[in-house]
Amino acid sequence: KNQVEQSPQSLIILEGKNCTLQCNYTVSPFSNLRWYKQDTGRGPVSLTIMTFSENTKSNGRYTATLDADTKQSSLHITASQLSDSASYICVVKVDSNYQLIWGAGTKLIIKP
Amino acid sequence: EAGVVQSPRYKIIEKKQPVAFWCNPISGHNTLYWYLQNLGQGPELLIRYENEEAVDDSQLPKDRFSAERLKGVDSTLKIQPAELGDSAVYLCASSLTGTGGSPLHFGNGTRLTVT
Repeated sequence: KNQVEQSPQSLIILEGKNCTLQCNYTVSPFSNLRWYKQDTGRGPVSLTIMTFSENTKSNGRYTATLDADTKQSSLHITASQLSDSASYICVVKVDSNYQLIWGAGTKLIIKP
Repeated sequence: EAGVVQSPRYKIIEKKQPVAFWCNPISGHNTLYWYLQNLGQGPELLIRYENEEAVDDSQLPKDRFSAERLKGVDSTLKIQPAELGDSAVYLCASSLTGTGGSPLHFGNGTRLTVT
């Protein structure tokens, strides 16, 4: 069964600190993996996309990694800001039928 | 570019009543999605359109839910009759295509409360 699991479920860190969010998937055949940020009361917004051949991709203070062999991805946030408080959702696209398999998300809280 | 527009923003109804949600996608986006999201969970697909055609409605509870996308642009999602368990946020999203690497662009959702 195609599944996406994220950890931790929630995380609280102090402003200025770094953190790493994890995404493990059992999706086959794999097409791509995307990270979304969802602010409270808003729809998700795409942060970055990872394809099979990409290992690392940065978008400002966000760096995503992908290990296609172990089927794991991570999202690293550097020098966190209060505005980073949100849920971060990992989504994997199935190559055969273009279905999107969504994780439950990690709720990140940045404290001043 | 204008984003995905959804209305209403909030809706409170009594159980067994009907309710409808409206979505205007980004201009030129062929693919439109309706998702349901419960608190602390990821979005769950209800239906996906490619232009006017519903290409994936396998998770849509067809006994009470219906959707349409007239002329391949705006879309409406209807629930009749609503049940207590339907309380959730209903998200609409659009993308250039459903097959490639295009990201989904979401509206801010309609929060439905069924009492």
